[in-house]
Amino acid sequence: DSGVTQTPKHLITATGQRVTLRCSPRSGDLSVYWYQQSLDQGLQFLIHYYNGEERAKGNILERFSAQQFPDLHSELNLSSLELGDSALYFCASSETRAFFGQGTRLTVV
Amino acid sequence: EDQVTQSPEALRLQEGESSSLNCSYTVSGLRGLFWYRQDPGKGPEFLFTLYSAGEEKEKERLKATLTKKESFLHITAPKPEDSATYLCATVSQDSGYALNFGKGTSLLVTP
Repeated sequence: DSGVTQTPKHLITATGQRVTLRCSPRSGDLSVYWYQQSLDQGLQFLIHYYNGEERAKGNILERFSAQQFPDLHSELNLSSLELGDSALYFCASSETRAFFGQGTRLTVV
Repeated sequence: EDQVTQSPEALRLQEGESSSLNCSYTVSGLRGLFWYRQDPGKGPEFLFTLYSAGEEKEKERLKATLTKKESFLHITAPKPEDSATYLCATVSQDSGYALNFGKGTSLLVTP
């Protein structure tokens, strides 16, 4: 158990819809990193938050956004969903040794 | 642009048959190179961090090494439970600690 909690584990939704994925980092970790894993692209960095502030952006689409709340949990919002957004979404916490959650499998139909 | 390339894409070994996985990288200012293990449907699990050329780390049947251009993950006398996808990732000096992953090597160890 990494100590990073992600909910929900599975999500099935229709194209055009909006979903929210949630992540709670390990106790004491101030950072949350979001990653997307698809079969063709592999694991790709989306965005990094540290203590409530956005620190870095990777290959994140404009339709996607994230925030980190005062209790340090983070939410990744995906809107206007397309079939190609179907993927595993992971969050990770800590810096020098990233601990990953178990992921949310998003299926867009 | 920073790049991480892993080879082979897939590897099948007999139990006890040692081998190596390769990770070639180009990065502007390496902060660290990471190895992770990922089981199907699970999150990546941390194995090693290497920081400078010549560094080696070991854990059970796994040994990771680093040069200025590549890293190797040596698997000695593997067991079926070592079957997984092994991911290599770099962190550059100017990317915070965001991991740049290769596409992984899928390892299958048969009894």
